[in-house]
Amino acid sequence: GAGVSQTPSNKVTEKGKYVELRCDPISGHTALYWYRQSLGQGPEFLIYFQGTGAADDSGLPNDRFFAVRPEGSVSTLKIQRTERGDSAVYLCASSFRQGENNEQFFGPGTRLTVL
Amino acid sequence: DQQVKQNSPSLSVQEGRISILNCDYTNSMFDYFLWYKKYPAEGPTFLISISSIKDKNEDGRFTVFLNKSAKHLSLHIVPSQPGDSAVYFCAARGSADGLTFGKGTHLIIQP
Repeated sequence: GAGVSQTPSNKVTEKGKYVELRCDPISGHTALYWYRQSLGQGPEFLIYFQGTGAADDSGLPNDRFFAVRPEGSVSTLKIQRTERGDSAVYLCASSFRQGENNEQFFGPGTRLTVL
Repeated sequence: DQQVKQNSPSLSVQEGRISILNCDYTNSMFDYFLWYKKYPAEGPTFLISISSIKDKNEDGRFTVFLNKSAKHLSLHIVPSQPGDSAVYFCAARGSADGLTFGKGTHLIIQP
């Protein structure tokens, strides 16, 4: 398929561990976004990449969260010293960075459970 | 401090009737609004959008209305079909590129 893909689909970890979540955007999309959706809430913006650089990381909750996109395509969201409150669905989206239409195409998400 | 509010957690509509989903926002810097539809275990799917310079945008059965003075937008689906049953999220874009989402409204279409 040509959509946004995310791996793994589910991740269960223990408190204090380190996790990495991967996002493969739609080919040719220069913009990539990470969101987090907690139960009963809408997606919450975390970070936005334009190409390889993080253009806006104002949504990252603290310094335990970090994301990279070294070649301007695949991105990895990294969470250190996980806490139970990090449990959520982590969504990735990508878009063309052209014109005013900022339609973002979402992946299926990674459900992270911190025990 | 919720900048995008969807005050109805759920809405039940009979098949064939009109579904109206509402959304209010507080940030006057928002200039672009989108509606996303989400099925369980899937990511949100883009449905329709509207720029702040317009007051209406229509795409098939879906119409979005924007009232800037009231900071209110609505999504109309007519006629409603069983496949429309899903969670609908209202989202807005301001000076930043990340979208601000509401909490969603669970639409249930009853046969």
